[in-house]
Amino acid sequence: GAVVSQHPSWVICKSGTSVKIECRSLDFQATTMFWYRQFPKQSLMLMATSNEGSKATYEQGVEKDKFLINHASLTLSTLTVTSAHPEDSSFYICSARHKERERVYEQYFGPGTRLTVT
Amino acid sequence: AQKITQTQPGMFVQEKEAVTLDCTYDTSDQSYGLFWYKQPSSGEMIFLIYQGSYDEQNATEGRYSLNFQKARKSANLVISASQLGDSAMYFCAMRDDSGGSNYKLTFGKGTLLTVNP
Repeated sequence: GAVVSQHPSWVICKSGTSVKIECRSLDFQATTMFWYRQFPKQSLMLMATSNEGSKATYEQGVEKDKFLINHASLTLSTLTVTSAHPEDSSFYICSARHKERERVYEQYFGPGTRLTVT
Repeated sequence: AQKITQTQPGMFVQEKEAVTLDCTYDTSDQSYGLFWYKQPSSGEMIFLIYQGSYDEQNATEGRYSLNFQKARKSANLVISASQLGDSAMYFCAMRDDSGGSNYKLTFGKGTLLTVNP
């Protein structure tokens, strides 16, 4: 159990367009979802934290208007990259905290979405 | 603020030998968690092992063990009997368990492990 999916797994879009990435917890309810960005051969950098029904909390340096996060339900969070540019090309990974489990290691990662902006 | 340091950008090990991946951390929190994740070339993050700051015994999960030295603020990962499938990027991460940060993770820069046949 505790599976997190992301859709799409990869996407290519043209500069100036917007792209939406979905993160779903398939078999559990997630109190909190996290969005990370990873450039090639680099570490995961937390972009924002989202709780169901409330506004996302963005990390310092992350543009709120560019990276729109919506956590509409306990099983779905979306990241929309608006007016994408080539420098937004990256690997985006989400993770979800299990609502029912209070054990400290209960954060589950999605498989990631590779975004390429041409 | 929390900080994770992994000083080994790359490590090589012979198949069937043991290898230690280093991780040091810095935090002023009393309650925290330490994690190791494996990321193969496919990109998925695979949870390996967890150590709580109040756990007195070192965590073990199969071939993985975490050498936790609290006074030194180190949490090294030991992989015994390395296998070719262990070749991947390994990340050390810390979680703030004080409750005020949504329990977010801070990652180190990672160590690329290559297992040679």
